[in-house]
Amino acid sequence: DAKTTQPPSMDCAEGRAANLPCNHSTISGNEYVYWYRQIHSQGPQYIIHGLKNNETNEMASLIITEDRKSSTLILPHATLRDTAVYYCIVRARIYNAGNMLTFGGGTRLMVKP
Amino acid sequence: NAGVTQTPKFQVLKTGQSMTLQCAQDMNHNSMYWYRQDPGMGLRLIYYSASEGTTDKGEVPNGYNVSRLNKREFSLRLESAAPSQTSVYFCASSEGGRQKGETQYFGPGTRLLVL
Repeated sequence: DAKTTQPPSMDCAEGRAANLPCNHSTISGNEYVYWYRQIHSQGPQYIIHGLKNNETNEMASLIITEDRKSSTLILPHATLRDTAVYYCIVRARIYNAGNMLTFGGGTRLMVKP
Repeated sequence: NAGVTQTPKFQVLKTGQSMTLQCAQDMNHNSMYWYRQDPGMGLRLIYYSASEGTTDKGEVPNGYNVSRLNKREFSLRLESAAPSQTSVYFCASSEGGRQKGETQYFGPGTRLLVL
């Protein structure tokens, strides 16, 4: 799976949009971009994933650049409960025995009042 | 629908003791996983089970064994606990099989301290 690079930490004001960047310059054509988050002391929580088109769900939006070498997770109206570590992961589309999630260091997002 | 459940939530062991961490999912998922997370670190895969009846080693399998008891349950056993196994253990499951994307759902974790 391709390696990802994320800033170690970010701050965001409550009610504002939080934009979390991720670089994945070695991504290959069959790899998806996944975002998970981990709120303190809890298990990781799936947020969103995409291949090449922008995606939106009830939690967030995912913007993937045309060359797919980077992406941005957008939380449109951040709340204090969105304070967490956010992980960007790339992995192949085709499921096989070696196709596991690899969690790196992530970005620690602090939402402030 | 409870999702992924884990027991116990907390455990303290002495070096050399054994224990089994239990995990169950009620989403009819084919694949299940065990991860460990050390303080300030990301998750590392210990073992996984792609489907009922199969298990495979992940990134850090040494000192652990697993059993896929049935489709719902996947247990992790420490035969002789060591202080280096002090960690938070997460179980996860996913639908599995050849499909677009592969989302994993995680349990709440088991916090293990080995003295």
